Amino acid sequence: DQQVKQNSPSLSVQEGRISILNCDYTNSMFDYFLWYKKYPAEGPTFLISISSIKDKNEDGRFTVFLNKSAKHLSLHIVPSQPGDSAVYFCAASASSGGSNYKLTFGKGTLLTVNP
Amino acid sequence: DAMVIQNPRYQVTQFGKPVTLSCSQTLNHNVMYWYQQKSSQAPKLLFHYYDKDFNNEADTPDNFQSRRPNTSFCFLDIRSPGLGDAAMYLCATSAKLAALYNEQFFGPGTRLTVL
Repeated sequence: DQQVKQNSPSLSVQEGRISILNCDYTNSMFDYFLWYKKYPAEGPTFLISISSIKDKNEDGRFTVFLNKSAKHLSLHIVPSQPGDSAVYFCAASASSGGSNYKLTFGKGTLLTVNP
Repeated sequence: DAMVIQNPRYQVTQFGKPVTLSCSQTLNHNVMYWYQQKSSQAPKLLFHYYDKDFNNEADTPDNFQSRRPNTSFCFLDIRSPGLGDAAMYLCATSAKLAALYNEQFFGPGTRLTVL
């Protein structure tokens, strides 16, 4: 049973436009959410995170929005650049309970930014 | 640069022939993780070490074992690989155990093929 879902396997946008990647979760215990970015032949690298006490976190061109009632988060990239082309993984963690170390990942969304 | 290194990058083994994958880190992190990622699937945590303490996820098959002889190295042993064990195996590290505000750093992965 997938607890973190990225329903769009791929997304294509034009350079300079906004990219919006979506993620849904089912486990109400999740209270910390992360986005990882993965280039081919490399491991995933941390991009941005958000705690459930916030509904928005911004870092340069990257903003993550969290809607707890909908159990939904999204990553916005503005403006998109060709170098942003990669697979983006959404991940979640529950800070309470015995599994506070564990990240549960989605399947990833392949973003392609066209020049 | 401090990093997480995985060797080999590609490993081919035969059905039932034991295989060992290697991970090393120069980050001096306390925690090391092994993930399995099958094609088009989410990375799935197999187990982790916090210092010398080993923690196996409940659904990790007995066929998978791990060793951590020192802080820098961690090994994944697959005792009798089956065709279903063909996957990308990702090693990751973190300074602390809790995921909250504690980034995991990933290696590039080892792609295992089972013939």
